[in-house]
Amino acid sequence: QVQLQQSGPGLVKPSQTLSLTCAISGDSVSSNGAAWNWIRQSPSRGLEWLGRTYYRSRWHTDYAISVKSRITINSDTSKNQFSLHLTSVTPEDTAVYYCTRVGGNLGNWFDPWGQGTTVIVSS
Amino acid sequence: QSVLTQPPSVSEAPRQRVTISCSGSSSNIGNNAVHWYQQFPGEAPKLLIYYDDLLPSGVSDRFSGSKSGTSASLAISGLQSEDEADYFCAAWDDTLNSYVFGTGTKVTVL
Repeated sequence: QVQLQQSGPGLVKPSQTLSLTCAISGDSVSSNGAAWNWIRQSPSRGLEWLGRTYYRSRWHTDYAISVKSRITINSDTSKNQFSLHLTSVTPEDTAVYYCTRVGGNLGNWFDPWGQGTTVIVSS
Repeated sequence: QSVLTQPPSVSEAPRQRVTISCSGSSSNIGNNAVHWYQQFPGEAPKLLIYYDDLLPSGVSDRFSGSKSGTSASLAISGLQSEDEADYFCAAWDDTLNSYVFGTGTKVTVL
């Protein structure tokens, strides 16, 4: 059974970088049969997919257009985890952030989800 | 900003049936599988339906999904108080090269 455990700060100052980590158990971040995603949820924007990383002979990343200039998702195979880095944050980036897994084909469903991290952008 | 349109809320009495619609376009629902999620307050979303109409293990068969053209639907039969939650649809969008979500529907059991 795959489980995802998120960690990272809940408060980030404007213009700084938001960084969150998702530790994986029950699967491998470098599995050829999975993709590792970040999603956020806020009252104003609803659920918003931010991006993913996956390994298919080499590492791939895909990002949502809305954050493409500010986002990096990378993986750490030694710790079996993946991370989200979002630069130059503003109060608009205040949201609950989730990590999640997609198995099999890349357009498949999200399951499981991490527990969520509430991130507030404020000085 | 959600791309898939859902009604904000639906309500019905216990033991009745409700249906939640999810409207999209040819670049998402019309060409890709739809997945549904259930979310309780303060919790992460949980997979409810995948590949338009399939139930994950452990999900009650009171839930069912369907799709036609660029729209999908989630039905809950025999409504119970424990079904009170938010429900979201999602699909891959070929034009945006991104997953897109529905606006979410709150189900209330009267």
